[in-house]
Amino acid sequence: TQLLEQSPQFLSIQEGENLTVYCNSSSVFSSLQWYRQEPGEGPVLLVTVVTGGEVKKLKRLTFQFGDARKDSSLHITAAQPGDTGLYLCAGVDNYGQNFVFGPGTRLSVLP
Amino acid sequence: EAQVTQNPRYLITVTGKKLTVTCSQNMNHEYMSWYRQDPGLGLRQIYYSMNVEVTDKGDVPEGYKVSRKEKRNFPLILESPSPNQTSLYFCASSPRVTDNSPLHFGNGTRLTVT
Repeated sequence: TQLLEQSPQFLSIQEGENLTVYCNSSSVFSSLQWYRQEPGEGPVLLVTVVTGGEVKKLKRLTFQFGDARKDSSLHITAAQPGDTGLYLCAGVDNYGQNFVFGPGTRLSVLP
Repeated sequence: EAQVTQNPRYLITVTGKKLTVTCSQNMNHEYMSWYRQDPGLGLRQIYYSMNVEVTDKGDVPEGYKVSRKEKRNFPLILESPSPNQTSLYFCASSPRVTDNSPLHFGNGTRLTVT
């Protein structure tokens, strides 16, 4: 079974700080997706990284896919309270039959 | 509007009283899935379906049933709910299970079993 691990589990920072969260696996994934979930709502897709070494930017969010396609990172510059939420990474399993999710990083940005 | 619709949004019931949470998508998606989310935790998959009449167990299927008789609907059935099934439930769908297929989530169903 392919597993995705995420770190840190919890992160509480002040507005304006930078942060990086990580998604790791011992298995190769053909791509990884990042979702953000706000309290009481369903997760929403932020980005999909497909190519090893790929970097994608979404305003203040920078996503990177590892060269070996076993890990990914999300860097947020100058965090804002609106960035608060649960960040989940996900990928397609080896059999191409199911999506697997990491446990998530719960981010709290304090004003 | 393309969406995944779950009903009800909130449900309070008693132990042992059978209930069904409905999930419907209007995007002709092949893949659908149910998750539960407990306070402070991530998503745990209950069941998923790759297409009509094809369903498979996820990580926590005990106490739940599903059916996929038509493409748009994927109801979650609790035959005899128990308090440990109190949770926030999400349904999701995707065109298919591929790298560039995003998951679309419903707004959630908050279930309380007393």
